[in-house]
Amino acid sequence: TQLLEQSPQFLSIQEGENLTVYCNSSSVFSSLQWYRQEPGEGPVLLVTVVTGGEVKKLKRLTFQFGDARKDSSLHITAAQPGDTGLYLCAGAFNDMRFGAGTRLTVKP
Amino acid sequence: NAGVTQTPKFRVLKTGQSMTLLCAQDMNHEYMYWYRQDPGMGLRLIHYSVGEGTTAKGEVPDGYNVSRLKKQNFLLGLESAAPSQTSVYFCASSRAGTGVRTEAFFGQGTRLTVV
Repeated sequence: TQLLEQSPQFLSIQEGENLTVYCNSSSVFSSLQWYRQEPGEGPVLLVTVVTGGEVKKLKRLTFQFGDARKDSSLHITAAQPGDTGLYLCAGAFNDMRFGAGTRLTVKP
Repeated sequence: NAGVTQTPKFRVLKTGQSMTLLCAQDMNHEYMYWYRQDPGMGLRLIHYSVGEGTTAKGEVPDGYNVSRLKKQNFLLGLESAAPSQTSVYFCASSRAGTGVRTEAFFGQGTRLTVV
């Protein structure tokens, strides 16, 4: 059982649609991060959230950290084919643990 | 800027052989990590280090050993490779373990196949 549970595992949508992916845990984290990974590459950081209830926006991406610092969500508005990739959440505790990821495909 | 460099990028081992994966970072980061990535499993932490000369176990440490003799290098060893260790291995480093300084920078990965 992974410390961080991501849902959904797979998501296939049409260009222009909105979507939300979730990252949940029973543990409290000092910070939570979202990464995006392309095939054949290592993950690259999108955002770090530290404060409970924090909301950060990165262009069409909106990230939220739960009030209790146990969960987070990533919302993408008007998805584009360039958003296709593996989205991973990671929680910092004593070390850094990752969820299993959400594989997003955006079709033109 | 090199960032995090992993060597080798690809390797095929026979069952029972040993090998060492090398990770080098040039960002003066304190924390370094070794992960393995398998389909549908995301990244699972093998071992990590919070500073030179220190190492700790992660989620899946069995069958692996690590060493951090120099701050910039983190070595992952497989003493007797097994087919279950076929995976893509990623090394990462970060400035700290908490707060906004936990941003992890990753290497390009090592694709290991054990036959």
